[in-house]
Amino acid sequence: DVKVTQSSRYLVKRTGEKVFLECVQDMDHENMFWYRQDPGLGLRLIYFSYDVKMKEKGDIPEGYSVSREKKERFSLILESASTNQTSMYLCASTPLGDNYGYTFGSGTRLTVV
Amino acid sequence: QQPVQSPQAVILREGEDAVINCSSSKALYSVHWYRQKHGEAPVFLMILLKGGEQKGHEKISASFNEKKQQSSLYLTASQLSYSGTYFCGTGYSGGGADGLTFGKGTHLIIQP
Repeated sequence: DVKVTQSSRYLVKRTGEKVFLECVQDMDHENMFWYRQDPGLGLRLIYFSYDVKMKEKGDIPEGYSVSREKKERFSLILESASTNQTSMYLCASTPLGDNYGYTFGSGTRLTVV
Repeated sequence: QQPVQSPQAVILREGEDAVINCSSSKALYSVHWYRQKHGEAPVFLMILLKGGEQKGHEKISASFNEKKQQSSLYLTASQLSYSGTYFCGTGYSGGGADGLTFGKGTHLIIQP
């Protein structure tokens, strides 16, 4: 089974801190994605990457950056955490091509206080 | 722009059928369907691509109407395990690399 592992299930950080959310997949997938999920808003795309060192902005990239130094790892960085970034963050991966669904990690629930 | 899902929520008795709709304002290349149970990650159900119309099996299937830019998910003879939130994710180009845009979800509750 493809596995997407997010390093933390729950995180509590202070306003202004730099926060790193890590995601690792073990099936050699080219594409990786970061979404945030908020009640009533569904999943919204923050950033995605289709190759090492490549990154593309999604629909809500403000306040975030990403890093993909290795194919299996995709990190989401909150440069200066704010309370409106309190959310559930979901990482996903998929191979290149049209016929593949996303495999999601279990999520990181981030609370910024 | 997010696709619009309807209904927002539905409550059914076990054995009843459900239809969940997903509409886009942009021309669609692909539509994904996912189910998420409380506290868990979304799980992929199926994908429909431009040029295809129907997919799935007897109990859970989906259709894709390119002209209307919409897809529908059909849950037949629902079981308790079908409860959860259903999301459609829409893709606007091929290759799978661009990231899906998800709807806000449809909450489905199946009662015994």
